[in-house]
Amino acid sequence: SAVISQKPSRDICQRGTSLTIQCQVDSQVTMMFWYRQQPGQSLTLIATANQGSEATYESGFVIDKFPISRPNLTFSTLTVSNMSPEDSSIYLCSVVAQMGGLADTQYFGPGTRLTVL
Amino acid sequence: KQEVTQIPAALSVPEGENLVLNCSFTDSAIYNLQWFRQDPGKGLTSLLLIQSSQREQTSGRLNASLDKSSGRSTLYIAASQPGDSATYLCAVSTGGGNKLTFGTGTQLKVEL
Repeated sequence: SAVISQKPSRDICQRGTSLTIQCQVDSQVTMMFWYRQQPGQSLTLIATANQGSEATYESGFVIDKFPISRPNLTFSTLTVSNMSPEDSSIYLCSVVAQMGGLADTQYFGPGTRLTVL
Repeated sequence: KQEVTQIPAALSVPEGENLVLNCSFTDSAIYNLQWFRQDPGKGLTSLLLIQSSQREQTSGRLNASLDKSSGRSTLYIAASQPGDSATYLCAVSTGGGNKLTFGTGTQLKVEL
């Protein structure tokens, strides 16, 4: 399995500001993802973080609002830009630790709980 | 578009009871199905992964089954304990790239 850490674990931010969330994995992984969990809801995929190229965003999410970096195979950042109270959520990164011909187990970080005032 | 539903949304049982959580999905062309547990304020812990070619997986007191053709999976928890109290999420991987579509979750409470 992979051990994943996220920073910060939680933050309270003012409307209009930006927050960058870091995700660190203890081993090199091919695939990394960012998910959002809004209050009382399940997880929704924001984007796939691609190493060395631009992230691939899901419908409803755009790069200007959620810029993502992935400089190497163990680290990624997600920025939540120009925040509004609707961005209050838990943000989680995940990785697929093993790659084969079929999809493998996905592991999640502890999440970053963001509150926007 | 894949949609994943879990029933029941919440469940409260006495300690020691066996229980079944249900998950259904609309697109049967999945690569795998994964069950997770989420504790309040925490991230997700992977419980079981069932590949599309498999029918079931077991880990300790947990058994997950998959009927891909009917778009259903069940998670069976034997001899439930208070420590099993958590939200249980199922998620399916469809298309390429290991992207997961999550269900709505079942909030389980096991009482003494």
